[in-house]
Amino acid sequence: EPEVTQTPSHQVTQMGQEVILRCVPISNHLYFYWYRQILGQKVEFLVSFYNNEISEKSEIFDDQFSVERPDGSNFTLKIRSTKLEDSAMYFCASSEVRGPGTVEQFFGPGTRLTVL
Amino acid sequence: AQSVTQLDSHVSVSEGALVLLRCNYSSSVPPYLFWYVQYPNQGLQLLLKYTSAATLVKGINGFEAEFKKSETSFHLTKPSAHMSDAAEYFCVVSHEAAGNKLTFGGGTRVLVKP
Repeated sequence: EPEVTQTPSHQVTQMGQEVILRCVPISNHLYFYWYRQILGQKVEFLVSFYNNEISEKSEIFDDQFSVERPDGSNFTLKIRSTKLEDSAMYFCASSEVRGPGTVEQFFGPGTRLTVL
Repeated sequence: AQSVTQLDSHVSVSEGALVLLRCNYSSSVPPYLFWYVQYPNQGLQLLLKYTSAATLVKGINGFEAEFKKSETSFHLTKPSAHMSDAAEYFCVVSHEAAGNKLTFGGGTRVLVKP
């Protein structure tokens, strides 16, 4: 069964460093997403991406964040200069088509980012 | 704006007992509602979804949920818990204008005792 994969599973970095979290969505999916979950808090939407551009982003997704689909298979989230509060589990997801709200999003297992 | 409240952060049930996970939502427009499950070291997996058709929705692994508009609830149940049901469960809301943005509840961690 096709699945979304994410690498690495754990990432430890120093504050101020750049990190890139990688995701391989399901191959025939067209919409891609990043969510995050800070320890003890809810899963939060960060950004959605379609046709090589951001279709929606939350207020969390500021200029420190960027997303890219560098080739036909990968989808990346870059954090330019990490802060302590960026420590979280980051989930990638993909879906075949856009909403309206009823289409299943398939999630990866997550990357746990720890900023020291 | 939309929001979701899962009333229990942890639920402990005995194997074979009823599983009840409570979820209340807030949405100014007709919602789409989902339950996702996360097993240890795995991604979030869709259990079931409500899309304004039948109010009683059946999902995978014997789970079902009932949409009650008057109570703004979407509680998840399973008649008989199995050890493999131990996981974290998320109630999620979206709506037409939200596009693909999902809003998550805080999650309920289920422990199944033998």
